[in-house]
Amino acid sequence: DQQVKQNSPSLSVQEGRISILNCDYTNSMFDYFLWYKKYPAEGPTFLISISSIKDKNEDGRFTVFLNKSAKHLSLHIVPSQPGDSAVYFCAAPGSLTGTYKYIFGTGTRLKVLA
Amino acid sequence: DVKVTQSSRYLVKRTGEKVFLECVQDMDHENMFWYRQDPGLGLRLIYFSYDVKMKEKGDIPEGYSVSREKKERFSLILESASTNQTSMYLCASSPGTSGNLYFGPGTRLTVT
Repeated sequence: DQQVKQNSPSLSVQEGRISILNCDYTNSMFDYFLWYKKYPAEGPTFLISISSIKDKNEDGRFTVFLNKSAKHLSLHIVPSQPGDSAVYFCAAPGSLTGTYKYIFGTGTRLKVLA
Repeated sequence: DVKVTQSSRYLVKRTGEKVFLECVQDMDHENMFWYRQDPGLGLRLIYFSYDVKMKEKGDIPEGYSVSREKKERFSLILESASTNQTSMYLCASSPGTSGNLYFGPGTRLTVT
């Protein structure tokens, strides 16, 4: 079964600097990997995705990198802003037969200091 | 915009009660999901449904059941609530065979 690990439970970054959030998965899948952002008392919201056939996807201040040989994802936020303070979850496809099942990591709480 | 709504934001139930959590989505999505979020454990999949009346177990289905009688509605049922089911419950939907999940605001359930 797919396992997704986010080994840093928390991260503090100064405003304007780069935030790097990491994620490791166990099973290679031909589909999209996802990043979600969650504020307290709200549901997670989709942030950015990357296809398994790509190495990088960029959307404004957010860039996701995929290293397939290492089975590793990273999310870069630059420059970091106080409004980016939230919990970030990565998600990997959980099934070979159906790509609608996603497995989430445990999350990384990002705090951006003003 | 996709909207996923959940029937309650906060719920307090007693041990042994039968609990219904309702979720409705308005974008005609085929897939619907129930997750629970616990500190240090992230989001764990309880059940999902890829079509009306179709359901599959997720990673932690024990103590739960689901119902999907209409495409837009997916219900999570705790047959006999226990204190270890105190958690944040998140419903989500997604289109087709792949795609982004759209989450509802969550229901914080406390079982005393």
